[in-house]
Amino acid sequence: QVQLVQSGSELKKPGASVKVSCKASGYTFTSYAMNWVRQAPGQGLEWMGWINTNTANPTYAQGFTGRFVFSLDTSVSTAYLQISRLKAEDTAVYYCAREQWLGYHYFFDYWGQGTLVTVSS
Amino acid sequence: DIQLTQSPSFLSASVGDRVTITCRASQGISSYLAWYQQKPGKAPKLLIYGASTLQNGVPSRFSGSGSGTEFTLTISSLQPEDFATYYCQQLYSYPRTFGQGTKVEI
Repeated sequence: QVQLVQSGSELKKPGASVKVSCKASGYTFTSYAMNWVRQAPGQGLEWMGWINTNTANPTYAQGFTGRFVFSLDTSVSTAYLQISRLKAEDTAVYYCAREQWLGYHYFFDYWGQGTLVTVSS
Repeated sequence: DIQLTQSPSFLSASVGDRVTITCRASQGISSYLAWYQQKPGKAPKLLIYGASTLQNGVPSRFSGSGSGTEFTLTISSLQPEDFATYYCQQLYSYPRTFGQGTKVEI
């Protein structure tokens, strides 16, 4: 069965970096794009961008350029989100989500369980 | 960017009620719309894609309709496990925007 398993919660100080992993299993990793979604405490879902798992080419939403980096290790079917120069406002749950397409329709059919990143001094 | 506006933002309902949530897009998105359910502390769960296609395993009391700029998610008879927050998402273009969410509570 398809699973996306993310790394555990992180507590970081402002200015530090964090790398969140998303390990996929149960399907061919390079056949589906991987998206990243942020959810700040008590807030809604915010799409951060996606990475093409064939070419490793990332696309970032506005507001997620510069400090945010998507990467892959296809040998272990894992996607990564790295955030550098962390700020308090980066405190959020970060989700990876697989993008599926059927016919002409796209959707996020499988999600990781989420990784809470807390930035506090 | 395409903006999605959900209404209402909060909805108070009872078990057995028929519930309708609306999602309006700032421009036409054909039927490239998905609905998700999120419970506290959990990842979102796909309910509907293509505006009206029920994801496998989702109860038939959930249904979706609409095309273009106006969409609805309907729960025909609200069950205790349906109290959650619901989000629409457009997948017509990038960025893949979400609505702000609708919290369904007792």
